[in-house]
Amino acid sequence: GAGVSQSPRYKVAKRGQDVALRCDPISGHVSLFWYQQALGQGPEFLTYFQNEAQLDKSGLPSDRFFAERPEGSVSTLKIQRTQQEDSAVYLCASSLDRFNSPLHFGNGTRLTVT
Amino acid sequence: DQQVKQNSPSLSVQEGRISILNCDYTNSMFDYFLWYKKYPAEGPTFLISISSIKDKNEDGRFTVFLNKSAKHLSLHIVPSQPGDSAVYFCANSGGYQKVTFGTGTKLQVIP
Repeated sequence: GAGVSQSPRYKVAKRGQDVALRCDPISGHVSLFWYQQALGQGPEFLTYFQNEAQLDKSGLPSDRFFAERPEGSVSTLKIQRTQQEDSAVYLCASSLDRFNSPLHFGNGTRLTVT
Repeated sequence: DQQVKQNSPSLSVQEGRISILNCDYTNSMFDYFLWYKKYPAEGPTFLISISSIKDKNEDGRFTVFLNKSAKHLSLHIVPSQPGDSAVYFCANSGGYQKVTFGTGTKLQVIP
């Protein structure tokens, strides 16, 4: 019974580099969410998938952020031309179905842009 | 816009006593209110929830109270234990489960 797995655990990028963050949800979980957590803040919603369909991307801060889940399982969050303000912990969460099931979070990827 | 506010960034409580964590919200159009607990370097873990049609939900040492007229949510932990030391986030959820989090309250339980 593995939980949500995220990789890498830590990522340091130079400003302007592209990064890709991976999320392996719990097997069979339909819903998948990406959140961004800045230091001292609560997680902020980025985007939501139901299976392979991205149903809400209203939280993505700019068009440099892109997420995909092509086969309805593993998801990748890509950030192009990283900026210092992108430094944060990126959390992935999955849940079994859409009817108020609790979110199961991974341990996050801490991104530092220098 | 929906807002969930936790006005106390930190709280210290003696082991065995009650911990009360508070949360205010501004938008009443949500089905569920939740509490998540977060240890350092880990993701948040679900603790307890309450439907907007109820005013109390209890699970072991944890009880959540919902006061809809005051738009106020609270989490009571009795008795508090050192392992409860963590950051606690209140949150609300509506529709397909888009969860909105507060800024968190860091609880320290002193042995």
